[in-house]
Amino acid sequence: DTAVSQTPKYLVTQMGNDKSIKCEQNLGHDTMYWYKQDSKKFLKIMFSYNNKELIINETVPNRFSPKSPDKAHLNLHINSLELGDSAVYFCASSQDLRGAFYNEQFFGPGTRLTVL
Amino acid sequence: ELKVEQNPLFLSMQEGKNYTIYCNYSTTSDRLYWYRQDPGKSLESLFVLLSNGAVKQEGRLMASLDTKARLSTLHITAAVHDLSATYFCAVDFGNEKLTFGTGTRLTIIP
Repeated sequence: DTAVSQTPKYLVTQMGNDKSIKCEQNLGHDTMYWYKQDSKKFLKIMFSYNNKELIINETVPNRFSPKSPDKAHLNLHINSLELGDSAVYFCASSQDLRGAFYNEQFFGPGTRLTVL
Repeated sequence: ELKVEQNPLFLSMQEGKNYTIYCNYSTTSDRLYWYRQDPGKSLESLFVLLSNGAVKQEGRLMASLDTKARLSTLHITAAVHDLSATYFCAVDFGNEKLTFGTGTRLTIIP
């Protein structure tokens, strides 16, 4: 049973295209996140949602738009892709961030995005 | 500024040896997490440390937290090849997110 799943696993596309990455969790968590991991393995948070409400938007370009149709899903849409968007994008989830004492996060398998 | 620093960034060690990875953070927190990432894979939760003096052990790995020193350590005992991975610490500063360290890429050589 996959706890946090993402699709697709790999995404290769041309500059200027628009693409989406989907994420689903079956852990019953209320909070979901998107992270970007660059080529140096540095992990940076992009967005978080708590029960469909946007909590964190970490100075990410407007070309990135997250959408949470329900608390088990958090999708990421990217417009006008640029070379610098090439990275691995991880989705993660945790218990209700605002109610839980701790914030252990569980990560999806990642989506490797390559922009040519 | 809220910062989390790990050292070393890269570590090659021989099988059978012991070593320690350090995670320093910039301001008060008593909630710290360690993750492991294998090449091309996701992050796997290893340890959750939730108070000063917390110590957790799993196999050859032991993690501890000293909140007064703002320091966590991940100690590796008698390293074996399958411990080769990148290890991240992450700190909850109470700002509704985790701040990750830079990662330590550990390579165990025979």
